This record gives sequence, C-alpha cells and structure tokens, in this order.
Amino acid sequence: EPEVTQTPSHQVTQMGQEVILRCVPISNHLYFYWYRQILGQKVEFLVSFYNNEISEKSEIFDDQFSVERPDGSNFTLKIRSTKLEDSAMYFCASSSDFTEAFFGQGTRLTVV
Amino acid sequence: AQTVTQSQPEMSVQEAETVTLSCTYDTSESDYYLFWYKQPPSRQMILVIRQEAYKQQNATENRFSVNFQKAAKSFSLKISDSQLGDAAMYFCAYKGRNQGGKLIFGQGTELSVKP
Repeated sequence: EPEVTQTPSHQVTQMGQEVILRCVPISNHLYFYWYRQILGQKVEFLVSFYNNEISEKSEIFDDQFSVERPDGSNFTLKIRSTKLEDSAMYFCASSSDFTEAFFGQGTRLTVV
Repeated sequence: AQTVTQSQPEMSVQEAETVTLSCTYDTSESDYYLFWYKQPPSRQMILVIRQEAYKQQNATENRFSVNFQKAAKSFSLKISDSQLGDAAMYFCAYKGRNQGGKLIFGQGTELSVKP
C-alpha cells in the first residue's frame, strides 16, 4: 500500500541552526501539507502546497519557514534559525483531492 | 473561522465494550468533510473514518461508526467491541471543501482500554 515517507524520524539540532525535513508523498497525489504537533497539544496546520506553489499558510508559517518540491518526488520543509519553541513533531501529508489526507510517520524535531 | 472541539480529554473503556467519543464543530459552510484520526504511541496519524457532510447516512468502517448530526454540528465516533489496540489519542478533524484542503483538528481524546 502506498505511503507517505518522512526522513529523518528524529532530528536534534542546536538553536539557531537550519534544518530540512524531508517527505516523499504518495506518487499520484497532488496536494501536499505540513502540520506540526507540539508535545501534548493538538495538530496544527502549517502550509499547503499545490501546483508547485503555496496554496495556503497559517500564522505559524512565517519567514522562518519555507517549503520546496525540488524534484518530482520530494517535498521539504526548511526551518531557518531554529528556536527552542520549534521543538515538535512535524507531519507531512498528501492527498489526491479535497478528501482525506494521508500522513507520514512524522519527524520529531528537538531544538537544544 | 472553523473550530473543532473535543470536550473529553480522556476516556476509558473495558475490552469488548463500546465507547463513544464526542466532537462538535462550528462552520458556516454547507459542504465539508469530517474525519477521525487515531494517533497511537508511535505518534503516526492514521485515518479511522470519514464523513461527507452532504451524505445523510452515517459512515461505518468495521467496528468504527459515526453519529453525524449536521444540524447540531456534532460528529461522534463509536467504537464497538473495543480492543487493546484501540488505545490511542483520537482526533476529530474538519476539512472545508473549498479551503484548499487543510485539516482543522480538535484537541484530542486519549482513549485507554482496560483488559
């Protein structure tokens, strides 16, 4: 069964460093998303991406964040100059239409 | 703006019994989708069931079913014959049809299953 794959599963980084979280969405999906879940809290939408551009972003998704689809398979989230409060689980998701999204297993980001 | 509320932070059920998790939402849209996602300790988000707002029939997936009350903006999840593997965090989520597809999640309900 096709699945969304995220790497790495766990990333530890020092405050102020840049990190890139990687995702391989399901191959025939057209819509891509990043969500964030701070430990013990609900899942929050960050950004959606369609047709090689951002279709919507939340207030959380400020200039510190960027997304890219560098080739036909990968979808990345870059966080510049990480802060302690960026520590969270980051989920990539993809969908083929406006119905259900399929999630990757997540990347746990720890900023120290 | 749309909101999703899960008023039960924790629920507990005896193995083989039935449990219902509550969810309410607020929207001015008439067409949308509702979902229940399961998040086990591994923290992966797993789709349990979905409901299209234009369908009056409640969705069912094996032991999982929903009670969708559109007028009351209520979307509860019923788990029948609960199993130990059902223990997880459950999130209710809303997706507007014309919103570009983002999911809006509730706060979650932690379900424990007692043997």
